[in-house]
Amino acid sequence: GAGVSQSPSNKVTEKGKDVELRCDPISGHTALYWYRQRLGQGLEFLIYFQGNSAPDKSGLPSDRFSAERTGESVSTLTIQRTQQEDSAVYLCASSFRTGYYEQYFGPGTRLTVT
Amino acid sequence: KNEVEQSPQNLTAQEGEFITINCSYSVGISALHWLQQHPGGGIVSLFMLSSGKKKHGRLIATINIQEKHSSLHITASHPRDSAVYICAVNYGQNFVFGPGTRLSVLP
Repeated sequence: GAGVSQSPSNKVTEKGKDVELRCDPISGHTALYWYRQRLGQGLEFLIYFQGNSAPDKSGLPSDRFSAERTGESVSTLTIQRTQQEDSAVYLCASSFRTGYYEQYFGPGTRLTVT
Repeated sequence: KNEVEQSPQNLTAQEGEFITINCSYSVGISALHWLQQHPGGGIVSLFMLSSGKKKHGRLIATINIQEKHSSLHITASHPRDSAVYICAVNYGQNFVFGPGTRLSVLP
């Protein structure tokens, strides 16, 4: 079946603009995760959603970052007033549930803030 | 906060060698994941385990809960195994990644 998809694959934006990144999880997966990977660095957890529960926002780096998820489907990660340090690959993953379930990763969105 | 460490940072091996990558963490966890990130950036989940040992093809992952340590072994390594291998742990509602081990397998 279809895997996790993300759009756009690449996004170049000017400093100060807002951007929206989209993630389509695997159908039936109730858990959805957002991660960030800066160039040459490791993965950072940003936020996760489990079903209709309130999301765990503990990893969001600032209040410029927010994320929404409609039910158990599409999620959008929004970055307001982008800064150059926001440049990174943003990865989405989904799993059947949180906890002891394998995560399936999307291809990522490469964000470049100029 | 859970600190996740991996060793070695970088590893170069000859094709056919047996490879071991280590991961240690500081706080009790619910699950540990081994991920593979290909040179193009794509990430694949290799294993998820909370105890004992798992095997998939030439890959073996073990975890020792008491010692807070996990190992990923690759038998009969091949150049296509060249990638970054990442250890990640679930604890409570948190998910923490290790820095990764960059493996290069030379033909």
